[in-house]
Amino acid sequence: SQELEQSPQSLIVQEGKNLTINCTSSKTLYGLYWYKQKYGEGLIFLMMLQKGGEEKSHEKITAKLDEKKQQSSLHITASQPSHAGIYLCGADGNTDKLIFGTGTRLQVFP
Amino acid sequence: DVKVTQSSRYLVKRTGEKVFLECVQDMDHENMFWYRQDPGLGLRLIYFSYDVKMKEKGDIPEGYSVSREKKERFSLILESASTNQTSMYLCASSFFANEKLFFGSGTQLSVL
Repeated sequence: SQELEQSPQSLIVQEGKNLTINCTSSKTLYGLYWYKQKYGEGLIFLMMLQKGGEEKSHEKITAKLDEKKQQSSLHITASQPSHAGIYLCGADGNTDKLIFGTGTRLQVFP
Repeated sequence: DVKVTQSSRYLVKRTGEKVFLECVQDMDHENMFWYRQDPGLGLRLIYFSYDVKMKEKGDIPEGYSVSREKKERFSLILESASTNQTSMYLCASSFFANEKLFFGSGTQLSVL
């Protein structure tokens, strides 16, 4: 079965710093989703990547899909306290359901 | 906007109780899912449903059952709650099975 590994597991950064979260798949990626979760709440959809080399941005968050490496990265520029939360990647492994990584917990301090 | 509503944000139950977690979506989605989320383990799929009265086991169905009598409602049932079922439970829905999911706010269940 397909597995998604996220790194790092947790991240503590100072406000204004850039950061990157990685999601690596054990199998070919057919689609990759990024979600954000505020502590104790549900998941909010951020972005979906479907093609190798695809890159999408929303405000200060950019996600890329490297199909050959079976990997996606999420980059946050000039982090803010509002970016704090848990980031999860989800993948469509050409099955009938999405699977998720274990998440990366991000803390941003002033 | 799609809305997925879970009936309770916090729930405290005793060991052995029968527990119902309710989830309702308002976008006429075909597919509905129940996940549980635990620290270090991420989201794990319990059950999912492609249509009314249809259900499929996910990765960790033991100790759970589900009911989907109407398209918009998907219930998760813990027949006899145990302490190892203390967890955050997340409901989700989608139009197609393996595409973008819309999540509810989650139910934090504590079994004492």
